[in-house]
Amino acid sequence: DTGVSQDPRHKITKRGQNVTFRCDPISEHNRLYWYRQTLGQGPEFLTYFQNEAQLEKSRLLSDRFSAERPKGSFSTLEIQRTEQGDSAMYLCASSQETHGVGEQYFGPGTRLTVT
Amino acid sequence: AQSVAQPEDQVNVAEGNPLTVKCTYSVSGNPYLFWYVQYPNRGLQFLLKYITGDNLVKGSYGFEAEFNKSQTSFHLKKPSALVSDSALYFCAVRPGYSTLTFGKGTMLLVSP
Repeated sequence: DTGVSQDPRHKITKRGQNVTFRCDPISEHNRLYWYRQTLGQGPEFLTYFQNEAQLEKSRLLSDRFSAERPKGSFSTLEIQRTEQGDSAMYLCASSQETHGVGEQYFGPGTRLTVT
Repeated sequence: AQSVAQPEDQVNVAEGNPLTVKCTYSVSGNPYLFWYVQYPNRGLQFLLKYITGDNLVKGSYGFEAEFNKSQTSFHLKKPSALVSDSALYFCAVRPGYSTLTFGKGTMLLVSP
C-alpha cells in the first residue's frame, strides 16, 4: 500500500459527458502528479502541482482537461465533453521534494471507459 | 526533449537464473533515473533510483541497476529470478526537477 488513493477506481461514461476524478496523496508530500496510461504504453505526464500551485502542464492536456489542488491537499482532474480517445487509466502520484529528488509514489489509478 | 527506450517488449528467464531488463535514455544534462514495477491490477511501485554517486544502485526485492553514462544505459538486474518477479517493468528518466518520462515497459516472465 503506497498511501496514494484514487476515486473512483473505474468510470464508464458516454461520449460528451463530464467526469471528475479525485486523488488523495501521501499526506506529507508536497508534489502531486497526474499521468495517463494506455494499453502497451508507459505512463504519460499530464500535469503536476507543488503544494497548491500548478507548475507544469503537458501538451497532452487539452482545454477539455482541468486539474485543481485546493489548499495543497487532494487533487481533482476533470475531463469535459469526453471523447472515446480519453479512454485510459489515469494515474496520480505524489512525492516529497523538499530535500532533493524524491521518488514518486503512485495510486492504483482510475480506469476511464468512454462509450 | 528526454526519452527512454526499453528495447525488449518481453524478457523470459528461468527461476534461479540472473535477469537483465534493458533501458537506454536520452536527456540533456545529468539524468535522474528510476525503475518501477507494475503488477496486474496494482499501481506502479518504486524499485530504485539513481541520482548521483555509485553507479550500482540497489533497490527493493533484491533488484539492482547499473548506471553507465557513456552508454546512456540504466539496466535493471537481479542475480536470481523468482517466479513472483513476473511483472511489467518501467524505466523512467527525469531531467533535473522536472517530471518523469517513462519507457513503454518490458514484461518479465519468470518460468518455474
